[in-house]
Amino acid sequence: DAGVIQSPRHEVTEMGQEVTLRCKPISGHNSLFWYRQTMMRGLELLIYFNNNVPIDDSGMPEDRFSAKMPNASFSTLKIQPSEPRDSAVYFCASSLGGEQPQHFGDGTRLSIL
Amino acid sequence: AQSVTQLGSHVSVSEGALVLLRCNYSSSVPPYLFWYVQYPNQGLQLLLKYTSAATLVKGINGFEAEFKKSETSFHLTKPSAHMSDAAEYFCAVSDLAGGYNKLIFGAGTRLAVHP
Repeated sequence: DAGVIQSPRHEVTEMGQEVTLRCKPISGHNSLFWYRQTMMRGLELLIYFNNNVPIDDSGMPEDRFSAKMPNASFSTLKIQPSEPRDSAVYFCASSLGGEQPQHFGDGTRLSIL
Repeated sequence: AQSVTQLGSHVSVSEGALVLLRCNYSSSVPPYLFWYVQYPNQGLQLLLKYTSAATLVKGINGFEAEFKKSETSFHLTKPSAHMSDAAEYFCAVSDLAGGYNKLIFGAGTRLAVHP
């Protein structure tokens, strides 16, 4: 079975540019999570969707960040405008909900110059 | 509020030696506990989970963890380390208090295995 698929795997862009990260969750999973991983702050939850609806976005750092889930098989995380401090690895994860474990994609390594 | 403390950001063992990675949690309600492993340039892979069934949980790759409520611990062990076990390991806690499985991760422990 295909796991969580993220694209691109690597993104290098200049400060001020718009960045869009993409995620395809595991088919049948109704919960989707976006995380950010940095050396300083570790793994942080950015936003949680249930049945395509954003439920908890308290981890989104500021208005420059936005996330959408237009259907059950696709989600995006957008940063506009990007800043060097946004450099991190961004992970998408999905699950069946409840106490079921989250399954992670391989991440997008984002570098903002 | 929930929290996770992983004692030791780096652990080094010899191949064939016991692996012990420590995790202590704080939770106001019975928790769900997870161990994940992260290999370089990859996402997190679930090793094992505790969801209020047996206190000794067996996972993949020969790892196991024991839930000890009195010690608020969920340490990860493996009897004999392999070179392929070198990776970063994350302990996570969740209690569904927010209505969903919100994971709070520890800072991680990087395991090195030397010949």
